[in-house]
Amino acid sequence: GAVVSQHPSRVICKSGTSVKIECRSLDFQATTMFWYRQFPKKSLMLMATSNEGSKATYEQGVEKDKFLINHASLTLSTLTVTSAHPEDSSFYICSARDRVQNTEAFFGQGTRLTVV
Amino acid sequence: GENVEQHPSTLSVQEGDSAVIKCTYSDSASNYFPWYKQELGKGPQLIIDIRSNVGEKKDQRIAVTLNKTAKHFSLHITETQPEDSAVYFCAASMGAGNKLTFGGGTRVLVKP
Repeated sequence: GAVVSQHPSRVICKSGTSVKIECRSLDFQATTMFWYRQFPKKSLMLMATSNEGSKATYEQGVEKDKFLINHASLTLSTLTVTSAHPEDSSFYICSARDRVQNTEAFFGQGTRLTVV
Repeated sequence: GENVEQHPSTLSVQEGDSAVIKCTYSDSASNYFPWYKQELGKGPQLIIDIRSNVGEKKDQRIAVTLNKTAKHFSLHITETQPEDSAVYFCAASMGAGNKLTFGGGTRVLVKP
């Protein structure tokens, strides 16, 4: 199957700082990217959907100024957690699909964010 | 919006036995139903999916059934092995590449 690479896999940051998570599609054009958040022993909750070259669409309750999404190329999307707080600590997962080829969505390995 | 319920939340089976996980969905417009396996600290991996134009799909020890009328679908794992131990999620969406709504997950433990 297609490969989606997410980086970093783990990150620890101090409260008040910003953290950037990258999601790359390695062998296909990721026209659409999805960002999910997962709390321990819980399900995946969609945060936002982004189409290449367009602004992301955020789910209800997700602060767009807090979670900045950039999808400027067909192989890379980034999620920046700004002014991080301990409650932002979570497992963040991206997935990507090729809308033109109408593929399913492929998931990255996830990023464990810990804010201290 | 779509709502997906998944049961049971935990499932313990003896190696070699079968495991069944059930999900219901609320939006009749949903037509794509994937199942994911997630191991600790990793992203979900697609193990099987089914579209609304078929009622059953099988891939070796894994099968999925879909009842559109009742709006429920199930995952069946036969001849379970210890490496099947993981958290399994069902999901639903309108189209294979559109945003997914996940069920709550089932933690499966296969005892040797």
